[in-house]
Amino acid sequence: EVQLVESGGGLVQPGGSLRLSCAASGFTFSDYSMHWVRQAPGKGLQYVSTISSNGDSTYYENSVEGRFTISRDNSKNTLYLQMGSLRAEDMAVYYCARGLFDCWGQGTLVTVSS
Amino acid sequence: QSALTQPASVSGSPGQSITISCTGTSSDVGGYDYVSWYQQHPGKAPKLMIYDVSKRPSGDSNRFSGSKSGNTASLIISGLQAEDEADYFCSSYTSRSTYVFGTGTKVTVL
Repeated sequence: EVQLVESGGGLVQPGGSLRLSCAASGFTFSDYSMHWVRQAPGKGLQYVSTISSNGDSTYYENSVEGRFTISRDNSKNTLYLQMGSLRAEDMAVYYCARGLFDCWGQGTLVTVSS
Repeated sequence: QSALTQPASVSGSPGQSITISCTGTSSDVGGYDYVSWYQQHPGKAPKLMIYDVSKRPSGDSNRFSGSKSGNTASLIISGLQAEDEADYFCSSYTSRSTYVFGTGTKVTVL
């Protein structure tokens, strides 16, 4: 069964950092580009970042560029999102998704508050 | 990148067909045949319903179909059922090699 499981969310103060993980199983992880998408409470989906299958190429939504870093470890079948300089507007459920966005994790909640 | 524009809500009676629009620009929807549609029930992760404008994931319901004209894509749900009541989002590949999502549409089955 194809599965993505996010972890690492939690409460962080404004200006702080957090690293999210997404553990993949049930498919050949290294064959797929991967994405992070977030959803603020009661709001719509917002694209965050993409990484190519081998990790050589990364892309970011404007508001997170320079603050967030996407990476992957294909030997561990794991996707990461290192988030820094966190702001109140970064508070959201963060989802990882595969390739064509055909498989999504259950999400992990990031709360930014003092 | 501005979000793609969708109607806030669409409603229909069981058995009817409804259409949800998704309007972007020539830098996203109009420039690429990489528009997707997602269904999201409350508290759940999104589910891919349509990709590459009009392709359905294998095994999924053929009551869902997609099309595109210029900078506007559309999702058509035919034979509306109670279980179709959910939020729907579109997305598109962009000229920056990123993606952009739509504002979302709440579908109500009357």
